[in-house]
Amino acid sequence: AQKITQTQPGMFVQEKEAVTLDCTYDTSDPSYGLFWYKQPSSGEMIFLIYQGSYDQQNATEGRYSLNFQKARKSANLVISASQLGDSAMYFCAMREDTGGFKTIFGAGTRLFVKA
Amino acid sequence: GAVVSQHPSRVICKSGTSVKIECRSLDFQATTMFWYRQFPKQSLMLMATSNEGSKATYEQGVEKDKFLINHASLTLSTLTVTSAHPEDSSFYICSARDSGQGSRPQHFGDGTRLSIL
Repeated sequence: AQKITQTQPGMFVQEKEAVTLDCTYDTSDPSYGLFWYKQPSSGEMIFLIYQGSYDQQNATEGRYSLNFQKARKSANLVISASQLGDSAMYFCAMREDTGGFKTIFGAGTRLFVKA
Repeated sequence: GAVVSQHPSRVICKSGTSVKIECRSLDFQATTMFWYRQFPKQSLMLMATSNEGSKATYEQGVEKDKFLINHASLTLSTLTVTSAHPEDSSFYICSARDSGQGSRPQHFGDGTRLSIL
């Protein structure tokens, strides 16, 4: 069964600094995708970044990068140059590419960016 | 880009009412849609997978007679909360998978905040 874990309920970061949000996962499926979403207080899910299990390089999207360590089954999100607008809930998610493409979510990390 | 429209965005109704939530993929075909439920300060919990033209697949612990799902076309899935009670109050959010996009992420609707009085 797939499982995804975020151990940081809340994180604080100073504006303009970088922050790492942790995520570990567990799956027996050799083909899977890892995602990070941002959820502001308004509730919508904003896709940030994607990493495929067979991707050789870490994914990057602007200020977001995913530190993918396959052997450790970790997929940490790094946000560089934090902005006040980055304050939100962040969810790590995993989709197994067999068995219906279900995506499950971690518990989330609330990020607070301080001015 | 791809967009998923979810309607209504907010519902407030009396206990015992049935509430229908629509999820539409606007510019792509979605053979599979997913329904999630999110309680305050918690994560998204997958309720069911909606498959076009066939019965939905429910996650363990989700009452299929309580949460009726219909996926009658490649662009529309509906979730009906039957005889809703206050404990059904929650944030419901759908997502759709673009079957032509391989491994790309699902697209989410903006969610429906359901409040049962």
